[in-house]
Amino acid sequence: EAGVTQSPTHLIKTRGQQATLRCSPISGHTSVYWYQQALGLGLQFLLWYDEGEERNRGNFPPRFSGRQFPNYSSELNVNALELEDSALYLCASRGPNNEQFFGPGTRLTVL
Amino acid sequence: GNSVTQMEGPVTLSEEAFLTINCTYTATGYPSLFWYVQYPGEGLQLLLKATKADDKGSNKGFEATYRKETTSFHLEKGSVQVSDSAVYFCALSVTGGFKTIFGAGTRLFVKA
Repeated sequence: EAGVTQSPTHLIKTRGQQATLRCSPISGHTSVYWYQQALGLGLQFLLWYDEGEERNRGNFPPRFSGRQFPNYSSELNVNALELEDSALYLCASRGPNNEQFFGPGTRLTVL
Repeated sequence: GNSVTQMEGPVTLSEEAFLTINCTYTATGYPSLFWYVQYPGEGLQLLLKATKADDKGSNKGFEATYRKETTSFHLEKGSVQVSDSAVYFCALSVTGGFKTIFGAGTRLFVKA
């Protein structure tokens, strides 16, 4: 069974640009979660998508947005990038016992 | 509200030492409890889980027992290896809830 995949692995942008990150959940999983993990810190919940709809978002500004496609893959968009957006962005899909299966992450660097 | 508190790191141990990482929780309802591990440069992996009181989760020599009376889910391993060096996250999810609540993470260093 293929795990959660994310692309790209690394992304380098400059301040003010936009970044697009992609995630494919485990086959059969309909819920996708996005987290931000800044260097040395814990996970911050960003967004939850289920069945194509945004169900909940964490305490992040509106320039963090995304969507979920009919095949349950998801995209995270970050507009007007700021230096402090540099972080590892993790995507996870939810299993039957509410366990989360994580992808390897996208390392975003904003210069 | 729901929350998870785990011991601050870093924890530094010698190879073959006994490991305990403390985790306590506050939850409404009946949570499932999890330990995740994050190796350097990687995403999180589910290490073990327990879905009801007195359940013991185990994997790769790690164990944790769901203690409802003390609201705890401490992670233990009898003999750590250098390859166990990682960050460990305790987490909970409430039945019917959408969200997994993660602790702040505990970094473990194991020296040869």
